[in-house]
Amino acid sequence: DAGVIQSPRHEVTEMGQEVTLRCKPISGHDYLFWYRQTMMRGLELLIYFNNNVPIDDSGMPEDRFSAKMPNASFSTLKIQPSEPRDSAVYFCASRKTGEDTIYFGEGSWLTVV
Amino acid sequence: LAKTTQPISMDSYEGQEVNITCSHNNIATNDYITWYQQFPSQGPRFIIQGYKTKVTNEVASLFIPADRKSSTLSLPRVSLSDTAVYYCLVVPIYNQGGKLIFGQGTELSVKP
Repeated sequence: DAGVIQSPRHEVTEMGQEVTLRCKPISGHDYLFWYRQTMMRGLELLIYFNNNVPIDDSGMPEDRFSAKMPNASFSTLKIQPSEPRDSAVYFCASRKTGEDTIYFGEGSWLTVV
Repeated sequence: LAKTTQPISMDSYEGQEVNITCSHNNIATNDYITWYQQFPSQGPRFIIQGYKTKVTNEVASLFIPADRKSSTLSLPRVSLSDTAVYYCLVVPIYNQGGKLIFGQGTELSVKP
């Protein structure tokens, strides 16, 4: 299995630009999670989906952030407009119902200048 | 979800045994104790899980006392490649709530 696949791995963008991060979960997994990691705040859960439906988005920082999961094999996290404080590593992870382990992707390293 | 407390950082030398203790005083009857490991520039990965007593796999051992209010992750004979952040989580059985909340973790630094 290829694992959770994220793209881009690295992105540098200017403040005010739109950023779209992409994720392909492990095939057969019905839970998908978006986390953000920074030195100051650690690993934060932003939002998670079950069967493509958003279940809990209480961790989404503000309206500039949005996430979608149009089908079982694809999800996006969008930031519009981006700000320097959004600079972080964004991880996507997936899990299968009945199993406890969450599998993480390698992360998307975002720098907003 | 039960709150966990673990040391922020630990230092060790190659070849030593490292024990990282996690407190989870409010653990519920249907909670498992789970540990994840995060190497620099990578996402966390599952390393071990247990309910009570002792669990051992190829990576680590997990010791859980009878009251289950704490647990100890034991890494035998660490090497430089064990330098990572180790997260202790308390997770409901089959995690019907779906999400995993990570605390600050313990940053382990292994020196030559």
